[in-house]
Amino acid sequence: GEDVEQSLFLSVREGDSSVINCTYTDSSSTYLYWYKQEPGAGLQLLTYIFSNMDMKQDQRLTVLLNKKDKHLSLRIADTQTGDSAIYFCAGEVRFGAGTRLTVKP
Amino acid sequence: DSGVTQTPKHLITATGQRVTLRCSPRSGDLSVYWYQQSLDQGLQFLIQYYNGEERAKGNILERFSAQQFPDLHSELNLSSLELGDSALYFCASSAQDRGTEAFFGQGTRLTVV
Repeated sequence: GEDVEQSLFLSVREGDSSVINCTYTDSSSTYLYWYKQEPGAGLQLLTYIFSNMDMKQDQRLTVLLNKKDKHLSLRIADTQTGDSAIYFCAGEVRFGAGTRLTVKP
Repeated sequence: DSGVTQTPKHLITATGQRVTLRCSPRSGDLSVYWYQQSLDQGLQFLIQYYNGEERAKGNILERFSAQQFPDLHSELNLSSLELGDSALYFCASSAQDRGTEAFFGQGTRLTVV
C-alpha cells in the first residue's frame, strides 16, 4: 500500500511563506493532491500535480514534486490568517495525517 | 459548493444499530469514493465505485458495505455499529476513474452512543 507522511504542525507569521512537506512510498499514483480542511468543515481540493511534473504554480500556491526522493511540498506565499487550517497530502488512495498550519498575526 | 451532496449531515445512533449514508455525485461524474475521518485513524479511503461497479477497496470493515445505483448515487451501509465507528464520513466524486480530480461533499457526522 501507499504510505503518506507529513509533519503534524507548522506555525508561521502572517506575510511569511509556509512550506508543508510530504513523503510517500508508492509511486503508482497518477496524481498527487493537496487538500485543505478548515475547522468544522469538509475537505477542499487545493491543487494537484500530475506525477510526471516537477512543479505547478497556482496563484499563491506552489507544488514541488521530487519523484526520485518521493517528496512533495506545498508552498503558500504571503500566508494569511485565513490560511490557518489542516492541509492533507494525498495520493489516489491514501492520505497523510494532515499538517495543522497556524498563522500568527 | 462542490456539487456533491451527502445526507444526512448529522446522525446519532446507538451501538449495534445499522445506518445508511447517502451520496449524490456531481452531475456527470461516474466515480464515487467513500472516506472515513476519525480522530484516532485520521482520513482513510474506504471504497470506490465507478459506473456502478466496485473499483477499489481500502480499509473498509466487513461490517460496512456500499453500492452505486444506476443513477450513480451511492450508499454506504454501516452495521453492528460500535463506538469507534463515530467519525466524519466523506463522499467524493470524479468524472472518470482514479487519477482524475475529485470533489468532496461536506460529510456526514456519525455519532455512535
